Amino acid sequence: QQQVKQSPQSLIVQKGGIPIINCAYENTAFDYFPWYQQFPGKGPALLIAIRPDVSEKKEGRFTISFNKSAKQFSLHIMDSQPGDSATYFCAPGGGNQFYFGTGTSLTVIP
Amino acid sequence: DTGVSQDPRHKITKRGQNVTFRCDPISEHNRLYWYRQTLGQGPEFLTYFQNEAQLEKSRLLSDRFSAERPKGSFSTLEIQRTEQGDSAMYLCASGRSQVDEQFFGPGTRLTVL
Repeated sequence: QQQVKQSPQSLIVQKGGIPIINCAYENTAFDYFPWYQQFPGKGPALLIAIRPDVSEKKEGRFTISFNKSAKQFSLHIMDSQPGDSATYFCAPGGGNQFYFGTGTSLTVIP
Repeated sequence: DTGVSQDPRHKITKRGQNVTFRCDPISEHNRLYWYRQTLGQGPEFLTYFQNEAQLEKSRLLSDRFSAERPKGSFSTLEIQRTEQGDSAMYLCASGRSQVDEQFFGPGTRLTVL
């Protein structure tokens, strides 16, 4: 887990805002870069993921930006809604092991 | 597709007791992972199975922890001689070979008194 640093720890935005969450990793062997969403009392659920051969991926209101040389990737949530209020985790890795970040608690104010 | 299920959802035990958790993965998934999550932290990898073979074990998995996956279907995680530091949410996830996406269960919350 020390191989992954996630920021910020918490984030508060107004409805319609664009929260951005960042993840930095050390291991250049990682080949899968996902973001998970977790609600209280539930297990994490995959939101969106990217492979290192592309720099950006968009699925609905969620976008991953990937910077291989900087060993960083980020999650952007467009037009954020109160229902997006949750904890978000990056979890780079691949195959046998994945390393979760410490999480970002997002609150979207109506 | 009924999703990943875990049993029990909550377990309260006294220090020194043994506990066992069960995970039933999605039926066609041959990969199975166990994680531990403490409050305010991300899940920490514990161990990984491909079918019935345990292929990876974290250094976090002390000798008191053992996991099995007989016949490559459900899996059990046993903690012997529990300690207060074992209190956490234990998460199970499953997936398919060649596909990195993991599907998580709801977790088992363990409290050691």
